[in-house]
Amino acid sequence: DAKTTQPNSMESNEEEPVHLPCNHSTISGTDYIHWYRQLPSQGPEYVIHGLTSNVNNRMASLAIAEDRKSSTLILHRATLRDAAVYYCILRPQTGANNLFFGTGTRLTVIP
Amino acid sequence: DGGITQSPKYLFRKEGQNVTLSCEQNLNHDAMYWYRQDPGQGLRLIYYSQIVNDFQKGDIAEGYSVSREKKESFPLTVTSAQKNPTAFYLCASSIFGRGLNTEAFFGQGTRLTVV
Repeated sequence: DAKTTQPNSMESNEEEPVHLPCNHSTISGTDYIHWYRQLPSQGPEYVIHGLTSNVNNRMASLAIAEDRKSSTLILHRATLRDAAVYYCILRPQTGANNLFFGTGTRLTVIP
Repeated sequence: DGGITQSPKYLFRKEGQNVTLSCEQNLNHDAMYWYRQDPGQGLRLIYYSQIVNDFQKGDIAEGYSVSREKKESFPLTVTSAQKNPTAFYLCASSIFGRGLNTEAFFGQGTRLTVV
């Protein structure tokens, strides 16, 4: 299964944009890129996903590189509530329906 | 309200005892998953199930067992063979099907402490 690589931690000032990177150099043509975030002592929650084109929703934007070997989750204005661990995972379109999570990026938002 | 429910939130057991963690969903999802999370670590997949009466081992299945007798339920048993069972356990569910790619929904977790 294709895996992802993320920085262990990042910091951002409140009200500033945040760009969370993810490398997935072994991604296959049918893998979707999913992002989840986990607040302390809670289960992860879905943020956004995409295949090839950039995606926007009310929570964030997802920018996908043209070769699909990397992607970036963009939080347009970080708030204290955005402090969490962010996971980038690959989900196959067909085949085994397992979900593999890595260690994610711990985002600290500074007031 | 539709959702996925794990119970109990906190569980204490003596070493050597088997313990079963509950996971129920009313989202009509085919696929269900169990993960283990240790402090400061990511999620590791224990077992997953794509349909009733079928399940597959994940990365760390040793010392755990599951059943999937009903679509709504996917209980996880932590057996005495699991050497280090104290952890945060998370259950998730999602739609399954070829060509479908949707998000997974997670429960709030069960924190198991073995003393």
